[in-house]
Formats: sequence, C-alpha cells, structure tokens
Amino acid sequence: ETGVTQSPTHLIKTRGQQVTLRCSSQSGHNTVSWYQQALGQGPQFIFQYYREEENGRGNFPPRFSGLQFPNYSSELNVNALELDDSALYLCASSSRGQANYGYTFGSGTRLTVV
Amino acid sequence: QQQVKQSPQSLIVQKGGISIINCAYENTAFDYFPWYQQFPGKGPALLIAIRPDVSEKKEGRFTISFNKSAKQFSLHIMDSQPGDSATYFCAASRDGSARQLTFGSGTQLTVLP
Repeated sequence: ETGVTQSPTHLIKTRGQQVTLRCSSQSGHNTVSWYQQALGQGPQFIFQYYREEENGRGNFPPRFSGLQFPNYSSELNVNALELDDSALYLCASSSRGQANYGYTFGSGTRLTVV
Repeated sequence: QQQVKQSPQSLIVQKGGISIINCAYENTAFDYFPWYQQFPGKGPALLIAIRPDVSEKKEGRFTISFNKSAKQFSLHIMDSQPGDSATYFCAASRDGSARQLTFGSGTQLTVLP
C-alpha cells in the first residue's frame, strides 16, 4: 500500500508568481484535501476534492485553486503569490465512507515566497 | 476565529512520565476529535481519535479523555519515551461530506532520556 506522495518537496518562488503543487493519493482513497501549515502553527484547511469537484472550502481566497484527476491525484495552484503564502502545504487523502474518516497526510511541500 | 484552543505550547517530561495535552473547542457541532503526531519534515499522522458518545478511549500508551459538557478533550501519554518527542495537534470536525479538520496550534513535546 503506497502512501500519499507530494512534489516537489521544496520550492522557492518570487512574489507575484504562480505555483503548482502535486499530490498522489494513497491507493484506494478517492478524496483529497489540501492544508496550509504556517511555521509553528496547526494546518489550516484549504479545500477538498471528491469526484473531481471541489467539495468544501476553507477561508482562502480564489487565487487558491485545485484540480482532482480521474486517478484521484490532485494539484494545488496558487496565483499572484504573496509573502504570507510561505508555508508547508499538506495533501491528505481519505476514502469517502470510511468509518473513521482517517486522513493520510503526505510529507508536504515547503513553499518559500521571496 | 480559533475554534480549537490547545495547551500547553510546549511540554518537557522525563522518560517514564505522563504527558498531558489539553484542548478546548467552541463549536458544539463537532463530532469527531482526532489527535495527530508530527515529526520534523513529515506530515501529521493520526494517533488516536474519539467521538462524543464515549468519555475515554485508550490505545496502548495513548488515552483520550473527553468532557462533552465542558467542551474539552485531552491526550495522555503514559510512560513517555524519547521517541514520543514530536509536535502533537488536536483537531475537530463535524459530520458532513467535507470532513474539514480544524486543528489546534500544536504542542511541542520533548521527552528527556
């Protein structure tokens, strides 16, 4: 059973640029959620995708967008990067209908905006 | 609005001691309360979780105590080991299709050998 894999592991971007982060779900999982974790803070929910559609969104502006593909992998896109977007971005997969709703998190992508 | 408040921010215990981390929530619609463990450079990993229909759940050295009337829950780590040194997050969510987790701010636990 493979876990959740994210790429790249680290990334440096310039303010105003756009970035795409990628995530491969754990085998058997059909739901992908993205979280932003600022340094020293708990993760904050960005959004979730199920059946290739956004299914729940946290308090993040529209310049944060995503995609889910038929193989349940996902992308997080952030436009017009701001310095405050510097954070660890975590992807988590789960299986709709699973009793404990347990997420499996990836190790994250560390994004630095300069 | 911070809906899950976690304390303490950091905790140092001796090997073999008991580590206790507390969380309080505001939203009475929450019905799922997991604890996550995070090591540096890794994503959070589910440790143990509880639902409000029970007051305590134990898995090995880890126990969740839940007080629905006080809207509080806590993690107890018995016989703490140096390998338990990590950041611990409480979280909460409510039933629904998105299962959006609201995390606490984290507790950095250090277990001294």
